[in-house]
Amino acid sequence: AQKITQTQPGMFVQEKEAVTLDCTYDTSDPSYGLFWYKQPSSGEMIFLIYQGSYDQQNATEGRYSLNFQKARKSANLVISASQLGDSAMYFCAMREGHYGNNRLAFGKGNQVVVIP
Amino acid sequence: DTAVSQTPKYLVTQMGNDKSIKCEQNLGHDTMYWYKQDSKKFLKIMFSYNNKELIINETVPNRFSPKSPDKAHLNLHINSLELGDSAVYFCASSASKTYEQYFGPGTRLTVT
Repeated sequence: AQKITQTQPGMFVQEKEAVTLDCTYDTSDPSYGLFWYKQPSSGEMIFLIYQGSYDQQNATEGRYSLNFQKARKSANLVISASQLGDSAMYFCAMREGHYGNNRLAFGKGNQVVVIP
Repeated sequence: DTAVSQTPKYLVTQMGNDKSIKCEQNLGHDTMYWYKQDSKKFLKIMFSYNNKELIINETVPNRFSPKSPDKAHLNLHINSLELGDSAVYFCASSASKTYEQYFGPGTRLTVT
């Protein structure tokens, strides 16, 4: 069963505007974590942001923030003030397991194109 | 000052051959992983090693054999390559008390 769901089609975003990427997840483990990774056309996977299930505050990293709604099992990524360099695939992932024995289960990704 | 490196970046080979992909991290992490990204961009874990011990071994054909000579290295050997093995293979690593995984640049394997 798919544990991470990203269903938005490819998105076009105007430069300098904010964009929200949806991610829902499914787990029965009370301890888990959600990640967002960026994959530009060059192919590397870039870690953006992490939210632990017990974290009280929503995670933020510069222009990236994670809108964590635990009851709804959603972990949406918000990118503020989009830049042309934000054009990429964005993957939501969930940590399963604990230190030294954890794996990431990935969603299918969201394609974002930022237009000037 | 590369954090997680993989060699080669591109690998083109014929069916039936045996090939290896190497991964090294200089972050001092003690857990390393191999992920496979298919043609539809879907990423799936294959293996993980913690302190040179195999921890995760997903349903992967036994033609794939990981080897970790030390904590900083995790290599992937593939025997009898098949067309369906064509993909991008990513190595990643994480520290023992954190969950963030840092990925290498990927190795694009093409089997002809």
